[in-house]
Amino acid sequence: QKEVEQDPGPLSVPEGAIVSLNCTYSNSAFQYFMWYRQYSRKGPELLMYTYSSGNKEDGRFTAQVDKSSKYISLFIRDSQPSDSATYLCAMSNAGNNRKLIWGLGTSLAVNP
Amino acid sequence: DGGITQSPKYLFRKEGQNVTLSCEQNLNHDAMYWYRQDPGQGLRLIYYSQIVNDFQKGDIAEGYSVSREKKESFPLTVTSAQKNPTAFYLCASSIDGLQGYNEQFFGPGTRLTVL
Repeated sequence: QKEVEQDPGPLSVPEGAIVSLNCTYSNSAFQYFMWYRQYSRKGPELLMYTYSSGNKEDGRFTAQVDKSSKYISLFIRDSQPSDSATYLCAMSNAGNNRKLIWGLGTSLAVNP
Repeated sequence: DGGITQSPKYLFRKEGQNVTLSCEQNLNHDAMYWYRQDPGQGLRLIYYSQIVNDFQKGDIAEGYSVSREKKESFPLTVTSAQKNPTAFYLCASSIDGLQGYNEQFFGPGTRLTVL
């Protein structure tokens, strides 16, 4: 079993929909959680990061962490065609925060 | 502009040749990383460096070598010992504070193809 599981999709939604992207993990020591967006043939760019449990909001993006369930989510409101990309989750623990453990990424297509 | 640059964008190599991928950052970050990305396998860590003249192996270091002679630069050499080098290579850097977040920032990548 991988330490981080992420459904690869593809996920296809109409423009304006609310998108929910998720990762589950097995290591209860993870404390730092990140979401990256990667356009085709480009490097990943950091979207959101959260520490421990709770929510964080930034514009149309909301990141949630549920440590009791070992589950993290990224919500995208009012999705746009420009949101079409692969979304990668990454996490690390306090003892070794240099080493990120990555999900495989979820491919999202937002259709106009 | 602050950021991470990688060159070349595309690289073709014949079997048996060594090639070196360039990575430069002007973010004044201490830590730098090399990842390999293959379809269906996500990002895998090859090497990372926390400070000049020091680096550690990641999960898939065999067939690769690195150097860190300057803070700004972390070149990766793909040697002929790497059995399946065709992949998308990503360089990243981070502030590398002792505590807290260690967000990694990525370059645009180099796509290496072995002919």
